[in-house]
Amino acid sequence: ETGVTQSPTHLIKTRGQQVTLRCSSQSGHNTVSWYQQALGQGPQFIFQYYREEENGRGNFPPRFSGLQFPNYSSELNVNALELDDSALYLCASSLGGFETQYFGPGTRLLVL
Amino acid sequence: AQTVTQSQPEMSVQEAETVTLSCTYDTSESDYYLFWYKQPPSRQMILVIRQEAYKQQNATENRFSVNFQKAAKSFSLKISDSQLGDAAMYFCAYRENTGTASKLTFGTGTRLQVTL
Repeated sequence: ETGVTQSPTHLIKTRGQQVTLRCSSQSGHNTVSWYQQALGQGPQFIFQYYREEENGRGNFPPRFSGLQFPNYSSELNVNALELDDSALYLCASSLGGFETQYFGPGTRLLVL
Repeated sequence: AQTVTQSQPEMSVQEAETVTLSCTYDTSESDYYLFWYKQPPSRQMILVIRQEAYKQQNATENRFSVNFQKAAKSFSLKISDSQLGDAAMYFCAYRENTGTASKLTFGTGTRLQVTL
């Protein structure tokens, strides 16, 4: 059984650019949640996908969008990057919307 | 809105000793889960222990146990026989069992140092 994986591990972008982060869920898990963790803070919920549909969203602007694919892997897209978007982006998968979430290693995004 | 508060930014414990990390939360719900996650320097958030609110018995996982006080909205983590590998950021998290999305609400974390 493979755990949650994320790619890339690190990336650097400039303000105004667009970025796509990827997440592969743990085997058998159909739900993916995305979190943003700013330096020195706890993770903040961005949104959740359940069976390819957005299942809930946190207080993030529409330039944060996502997708979930039939194999339950997921993408997080951020348009018009701002300096404050610099953070660790964590993906978590679960077997259903209300089961325990298991996290991937995260993607560190730096916006210059 | 639900909030989770961890009032101890940093804690230190000697190897083999016991340490307790504090967490309080605010909610009007009666059905929810509480979690402790560990985040070592590798950044990956690792589940330590979870507690269902309707269960009165405190959860335990090997050297890790919780003191869940529902009326006081308190959920502390006790680490017994501390090991060097326990050094990490520890996050307390809350999750409702209602609504459309099972989002986790995290506290700001407690950095645990383990000394020889």
